[in-house]
Amino acid sequence: DGGITQSPKYLFRKEGQNVTLSCEQNLNHDAMYWYRQDPGQGLRLIYYSQIVNDFQKGDIAEGYSVSREKKESFPLTVTSAQKNPTAFYLCASGSEQLNTEAFFGQGTRLTVV
Amino acid sequence: KNEVEQSPQNLTAQEGEFITINCSYSVGISALHWLQQHPGGGIVSLFMLSSGKKKHGRLIATINIQEKHSSLHITASHPRDSAVYICAVLYNTDKLIFGTGTRLQVFP
Repeated sequence: DGGITQSPKYLFRKEGQNVTLSCEQNLNHDAMYWYRQDPGQGLRLIYYSQIVNDFQKGDIAEGYSVSREKKESFPLTVTSAQKNPTAFYLCASGSEQLNTEAFFGQGTRLTVV
Repeated sequence: KNEVEQSPQNLTAQEGEFITINCSYSVGISALHWLQQHPGGGIVSLFMLSSGKKKHGRLIATINIQEKHSSLHITASHPRDSAVYICAVLYNTDKLIFGTGTRLQVFP
């Protein structure tokens, strides 16, 4: 079945360390997105990519980095420069041409300890 | 400025009540999604709409393209429906914009 897989579901990181969150999709979607959610707030866009080897900053890109070497994969690295990394991270994919009802990952909850 | 507006922000109901959550957007879109997020954080896609109406069990989603408005209805609400419901809009630029969500609590 097609879908998006995020891993891991829960992640703990020591302060000052970089950590990479995985997002893989087999829906043949061109566009992929990373969002961050904080308690009581809506989802905010970190980075997005509309095509392989290209990506754009979203509203809160500082302290994060991404790559899009393959259409299926859009990993997000939370760097030590991100001052408040503890949050829920959601990956999504989409395509204007496709009609799909399930293109959101299940999320990764990152906690800095 | 948030290009997707949801109302209400919070909603409480007694079991069995009919629930309506609203979503308005500002410009033309290619699709609109209704999502459900439970306290554990996982997000489930309920519906994707580009026109008309869809129904799945006790859930009904409608969209009015001319009025730039969508509604999510829950019939015969149940405590297990308690969650945050999020409207997300896919604009023609392939950029998703999310509403801030509606927190629903259904009491027995």
